[in-house]
Amino acid sequence: EVQLVESGGGLVKPGGSLRLSCAASGFTFSSYSMNWVRQAPGKGLEWVSSISSSSSYIYYADSVKGRFTISRDNAKNSLYLQMNSLRAEDTAVYYCARDLAVATDAFDIWGQGTMVTVSS
Amino acid sequence: QSALTQPASVSGSPGQSITISCTGTSSDVGGYNYVSWYQQHPGKAPKLMIYDVSNRPSGVSNRFSGSKSGNTASLTISGLQAEDEADYYCSSYTSSSTPVFGGGTKLTVL
Repeated sequence: EVQLVESGGGLVKPGGSLRLSCAASGFTFSSYSMNWVRQAPGKGLEWVSSISSSSSYIYYADSVKGRFTISRDNAKNSLYLQMNSLRAEDTAVYYCARDLAVATDAFDIWGQGTMVTVSS
Repeated sequence: QSALTQPASVSGSPGQSITISCTGTSSDVGGYNYVSWYQQHPGKAPKLMIYDVSNRPSGVSNRFSGSKSGNTASLTISGLQAEDEADYYCSSYTSSSTPVFGGGTKLTVL
């Protein structure tokens, strides 16, 4: 079964750091670009970051640029998001999502999400 | 990149058809045929319904269709069913080589 499972969420104080992980299974992880998408409580979806299959291309939303770092380990079938200098407005469910191979910026597989709460 | 514009809510009765619009600019929706649509039920992860404006992934009902005219993309759901009640989000590739989502539309099946 094709699956993405996020972990690493939790409660962190403003200015703190957190590292999210996304474990992939059921498909050839190294062949796909991957993404992080977040959703603040009661709000819409916001794309956060993407990384190409070989990590050659990395992009960030302006709202997280300079604070978040996306990375992947194809040997471990894992995607990561290092989040530093966290702010209250970073509070959200964070989803990892796979790029549909035959399309551009279409995400066909999503994890269940992991909640990040930034609060003092 | 500003979010794409969607109506906050739409509604329809079972069996009817509804259309959700998604308006952007020539730098996103109007400039590329890379518009996607997602369905999200409460507490669940989003599900891809349409990609590249009008293509359906395997397993998605043919009651869902997509189109685009100028800077506005549309999702049409025909033969509305109770299980279609959900939030719907559009997204588009942009001139920044990154995607942008719409604000979301809540579909109510009356």
